Amino acid sequence: LAKTTQPISMDSYEGQEVNITCSHNNIATNDYITWYQQFPSQGPRFIIQGYKTKVTNEVASLFIPADRKSSTLSLPRVSLSDTAVYYCLVHGDNAGNMLTFGGGTRLMVKP
Amino acid sequence: DAGVIQSPRHEVTEMGQEVTLRCKPISGHDYLFWYRQTMMRGLELLIYFNNNVPIDDSGMPEDRFSAKMPNASFSTLKIQPSEPRDSAVYFCASRPPGGAGTFGSGTRLTVV
Repeated sequence: LAKTTQPISMDSYEGQEVNITCSHNNIATNDYITWYQQFPSQGPRFIIQGYKTKVTNEVASLFIPADRKSSTLSLPRVSLSDTAVYYCLVHGDNAGNMLTFGGGTRLMVKP
Repeated sequence: DAGVIQSPRHEVTEMGQEVTLRCKPISGHDYLFWYRQTMMRGLELLIYFNNNVPIDDSGMPEDRFSAKMPNASFSTLKIQPSEPRDSAVYFCASRPPGGAGTFGSGTRLTVV
């Protein structure tokens, strides 16, 4: 099971771009990288998933270098409502590996 | 789709009582997960099912906890007898084959 390491917390200001990096040095060939967002009193919510290079959706971008030993979640022009905990998960294509959560990164967006 | 539905949203019970948490997964999702979240331990995977069959219950803390999935649209997590240290938010999540997981809103359990 690939272990992930991400910063415990980050601060930013409204309108800035936020990049959260996750390390996963022992990622396996068949593993995917998935990011979830969790607001207080809510369940985690899927943000984005990727395997290699770059993935972009309406919420975020995910950058994965060639060696896949890390990944960076990029949130463009954050707002106060982006204040949340962000989790990086590395998992294979079976359910058991998929949803094992680490400590996450607590992002605080300030006015 | 209404998403993953959990009930109740809040539960307060006395130590020693039986507690049953309920979950309705999204139709067509063949994986179902139960999690527990506390400040101290974060999000812990308790058990997961595939096609209604329990696959891994190694995260279940002890014999007081049990989970069932009698059909594809319903699952329960039962704690008997409950203890104050069981106080936490319990989440249910479901996932389709090859897809991302969707979480319910959780059940906040307080055991006094």
